[in-house]
Amino acid sequence: KQEVTQIPAALSVPEGENLVLNCSFTDSAIYNLQWFRQDPGKGLTSLLLIQSSQREQTSGRLNASLDKSSGRSTLYIAASQPGDSATYLCAVSLVGFQKLVFGTGTRLLVSP
Amino acid sequence: DGGITQSPKYLFRKEGQNVTLSCEQNLNHDAMYWYRQDPGQGLRLIYYSQIVNDFQKGDIAEGYSVSREKKESFPLTVTSAQKNPTAFYLCASIIGGSNQPQHFGDGTRLSIL
Repeated sequence: KQEVTQIPAALSVPEGENLVLNCSFTDSAIYNLQWFRQDPGKGLTSLLLIQSSQREQTSGRLNASLDKSSGRSTLYIAASQPGDSATYLCAVSLVGFQKLVFGTGTRLLVSP
Repeated sequence: DGGITQSPKYLFRKEGQNVTLSCEQNLNHDAMYWYRQDPGQGLRLIYYSQIVNDFQKGDIAEGYSVSREKKESFPLTVTSAQKNPTAFYLCASIIGGSNQPQHFGDGTRLSIL
């Protein structure tokens, strides 16, 4: 059974710092890996999707990497801002389906 | 604008009562999903539907039921058999067969009276 783990569970940094969020999964047979952002009381917003054949994806200050063989992904946020404060969730899509298995998230607080 | 609309935003259930959560999308997406989120937890899949008139159980389907009579609608009923229904419920959709991210609604928070 696929399990997804995110470390750390919570992170607090001062504005301007670069930071890395970690995601690990137990079964490398994935279709893709997705990073989402969730603001309090809201739904999820897609940030980046990395297909199983890709190594990384970039969008603005965000860069996500994927190492399928080791079952790991990282989300790198450059020059963090208070507006980046949210919970970040990673999820893997299972091969043959479009079902997502989610991690428990990393709650990020960026202080001015 | 295209998107997913969930209603109501807040819902209260009495003992022994069934309640229905609405999810409507105008994205012309084939597949739709219902997730449950508990505090400090990730999302867990309740039910999903890849085409009209077809749906499959997810990991925590007990105490829930769904229907998919129209492509744009995927309502979720929380039955009285679900003994711990208090949670945040999220609906999502995606174009079938694509390597695209799922789109999410803004959720419904269900509480027990």
